Amino acid sequence: RKEVEQDPGPFNVPEGATVAFNCTYSNSASQSFFWYRQDCRKEPKLLMSVYSSGNEDGRFTAQLNRASQYISLLIRDSKLSDSATYLCVVNKGNNNAGNMLTFGGGTRLMVKP
Amino acid sequence: DAGVTQSPTHLIKTRGQQVTLRCSPKSGHDTVSWYQQALGQGPQFIFQYYEEEERQRGNFPDRFSGHQFPNYSSELNVNALLLGDSALYLCASSLPGVGEELFFGEGSRLTVL
Repeated sequence: RKEVEQDPGPFNVPEGATVAFNCTYSNSASQSFFWYRQDCRKEPKLLMSVYSSGNEDGRFTAQLNRASQYISLLIRDSKLSDSATYLCVVNKGNNNAGNMLTFGGGTRLMVKP
Repeated sequence: DAGVTQSPTHLIKTRGQQVTLRCSPKSGHDTVSWYQQALGQGPQFIFQYYEEEERQRGNFPDRFSGHQFPNYSSELNVNALLLGDSALYLCASSLPGVGEELFFGEGSRLTVL
């Protein structure tokens, strides 16, 4: 079983749609969680951190369920520019050993006009 | 403010050869991590350097080695190249604390023939 699992997609949605991505992780000792975005043939960039209380950044909402080891990302009012691969990322590092980020395989989103 | 820079951007090698990839971190960052990203997959953690020492290592063979210099720049060396080593190699820099954002370079795309 992979440490971080995502549905690879692709998710094909029309502009304006709401789309949700899910991610599960296997290591219950994981300490911090993120969503990164990666455009085609580009490097990954941080989209948002994920907190237990849930957090929102404009059209994007992230949720974490530690009991179920489940992370979600909701995108409202999809734009063409949201087309990218969304990477779920889990950090099982600690302050002594530093970060050790584990990436999921990514979920590809294609927003169509 | 220069971001993370990597060199070379593309290179082609043959099986059995050795390769060295280079990374300069974002200004002010002292921690460098290396990732391997195969086509269609998420980045896989190779190792992390902090204070010129390898602090964390992923599940990669000893053919993969690295180094960090006093100016925080880093090298990734791969010996005895295999066809399966063909991938995008990403360098990411950060501050050393847990949960700190990773900033990625554009990567070095290695093709092994």
